[in-house]
Amino acid sequence: DTGVSQDPRHKITKRGQNVTFRCDPISEHNRLYWYRQTLGQGPEFLTYFQNEAQLEKSRLLSDRFSAERPKGSFSTLEIQRTEQGDSAMYLCASSAAGTEEKPLHFGNGTRLTVT
Amino acid sequence: QKEVEQNSGPLSVPEGAIASLNCTYSDRVSQSFFWYRQYSGKSPELIMSIYSNGDKEDGRFTAQLNKASQYVSLLIRDSQPSDSATYLCAVNIRPGGNNRLAFGKGNQVVVIP
Repeated sequence: DTGVSQDPRHKITKRGQNVTFRCDPISEHNRLYWYRQTLGQGPEFLTYFQNEAQLEKSRLLSDRFSAERPKGSFSTLEIQRTEQGDSAMYLCASSAAGTEEKPLHFGNGTRLTVT
Repeated sequence: QKEVEQNSGPLSVPEGAIASLNCTYSDRVSQSFFWYRQYSGKSPELIMSIYSNGDKEDGRFTAQLNKASQYVSLLIRDSQPSDSATYLCAVNIRPGGNNRLAFGKGNQVVVIP
């Protein structure tokens, strides 16, 4: 168990550019989540996958954001036409399925700065 | 009403004292509750999970859950400088379904040596 891995750790981009982040969950976990966190706030839910199926997407999520999880393994989060308001820490988490709710295990995050 | 609320400001406690954190939630059917610790610039780290009313102890940490009153709390006994961090309360707001955790904004704890 090597934990949840995210890449890159930091990304600086200019407004209007597209960015893509990658997340590799814990290998036996079939649930994968993306959250966003800004300074002084708790993580905000963005989207959720069970295996390769995207089961839920936050209503707050702009259509500039898209996430995929081909083959139910790693996931990517793409932000198109970035805006300064997109600057945040993007956190990926995974959990195991089960009859009781399992806690999420977070990766180290990708810090995005849009200039 | 926010799904999960943590309203207290930063909490300063002397080393060795008890730190007490509270959290309320809005969804009456929530069944799973978690406390995460987050150091500055780092990702959240799970420290406690609680599913039933009452107390659950793990080392110096005690989580308390009262579903009727819709609150969950965390006690940190014998606080250490290494406990200085932000503590996030997380609640599963759609039990049996998609296991989505909603987080409070967190409470910053500062342990003074």
